[in-house]
Amino acid sequence: AQKVTQAQTEISVVEKEDVTLDCVYETRDTTYYLFWYKQPPSGELVFLIRRNSFDEQNEISGRYSWNFQKSTSSFNFTITASQVVDSAVYFCALSDPYNQGGKLIFGQGTELSVKP
Amino acid sequence: EAGVTQSPTHLIKTRGQQATLRCSPISGHTSVYWYQQALGLGLQFLLWYDEGEERNRGNFPPRFSGRQFPNYSSELNVNALELEDSALYLCAMLRDRAGTDTQYFGPGTRLTVL
Repeated sequence: AQKVTQAQTEISVVEKEDVTLDCVYETRDTTYYLFWYKQPPSGELVFLIRRNSFDEQNEISGRYSWNFQKSTSSFNFTITASQVVDSAVYFCALSDPYNQGGKLIFGQGTELSVKP
Repeated sequence: EAGVTQSPTHLIKTRGQQATLRCSPISGHTSVYWYQQALGLGLQFLLWYDEGEERNRGNFPPRFSGRQFPNYSSELNVNALELEDSALYLCAMLRDRAGTDTQYFGPGTRLTVL
């Protein structure tokens, strides 16, 4: 069975601190996709990144970076120099399009609070 | 380019009634997924429509149903509403009917069942 675990339910940091959100996934498939979404208080899910299972290169986008390690089935997300606007719930998700038709399996989410 | 839109933003119903939620696509996005985000239950996959057909459904009773129209917009219908149906309902669309593309979400419809 496929599963995504975000062990950190809530994280609170002070502005300008670095913070890492953990994501561990389980799947038996060799081809799959991993995602991170941000959900601000408005409720809309905002797409941040997508990785396929064959691309283990880490990625950096501004203050955001992602570390994908197949050996540990982890896809962690780091925000450098956090800002108040980063406060939101962050979801890690897994999809297996060739067997499950692309539905997303979400972790429980990590609520990040960045205080000024 | 306009994003995925959903209507209504909020919907209040009483137990036993029916609710209809709507999702309008981004141009070129033909597959639609529905998800439920209920308090304490996280985001759960509900339904997937492509080319007007239901392709997959999550672990939800048959009173959750939907359809997709020729213009790729979609409706989610919930019959015989129960209190636990209160949730944020999100639709997502993608271009690739095989599901390898990225799902872009609408702002959601918040359904409250009294």
